[in-house]
Amino acid sequence: DAGITQSPRHKVTETGTPVTLRCHQTENHRYMYWYRQDPGHGLRLIHYSYGVKDTDKGEVSDGYSVSRSKTEDFLLTLESATSSQTSVYFCAIRRDNYGYTFGSGTRLTVV
Amino acid sequence: AQSVTQLGSHVSVSEGALVLLRCNYSSSVPPYLFWYVQYPNQGLQLLLKYTTGATLVKGINGFEAEFKKSETSFHLTKPSAHMSDAAEYFCAVSEGQAGTALIFGKGTTLSVSS
Repeated sequence: DAGITQSPRHKVTETGTPVTLRCHQTENHRYMYWYRQDPGHGLRLIHYSYGVKDTDKGEVSDGYSVSRSKTEDFLLTLESATSSQTSVYFCAIRRDNYGYTFGSGTRLTVV
Repeated sequence: AQSVTQLGSHVSVSEGALVLLRCNYSSSVPPYLFWYVQYPNQGLQLLLKYTTGATLVKGINGFEAEFKKSETSFHLTKPSAHMSDAAEYFCAVSEGQAGTALIFGKGTTLSVSS
């Protein structure tokens, strides 16, 4: 969507390797989020950020870490990827009018 | 803690029929409520949202939803289904001005037959 991009769009990685997903915004919004989407579970919050260096855990944070050193970038790291982390990952920003805009997603496969 | 329940993981309607997707929420503070649509292999698109004010909210593509505080519901409706409405629909809640993250329901897949 306009103003928010995720990279990579697709990734296949091996079990046990670290993986970093990037979310980049161009509109200087304070709040950013990482979700994962799995069939039958909807979207579940992994981590979120309310400013540079200010982050907090969501519902399913185990095995994930995040960093936000600049307003525009919010990184999600899988410290040691497992097959259970195969999923589609979405980044989101919250706009001033409480509209949440989502990126196009990253499809991650852990083999 | 907030939560969202979407009744029915799969709803099937005929083209031209009424679409009704049910959403109930739990929130300890006045909620902000949202409906998103996701087409296959795509991201999430906002259909409509309720923050404050009028409880009947109109969105894109002819959809609307009504916030009923007494029933803790925010059901999504469309008077006449179109084949292009076939998609997955997600209801979500946030804690209004006090909160940040959206909490999602598990989704409802809408099928439309001709």
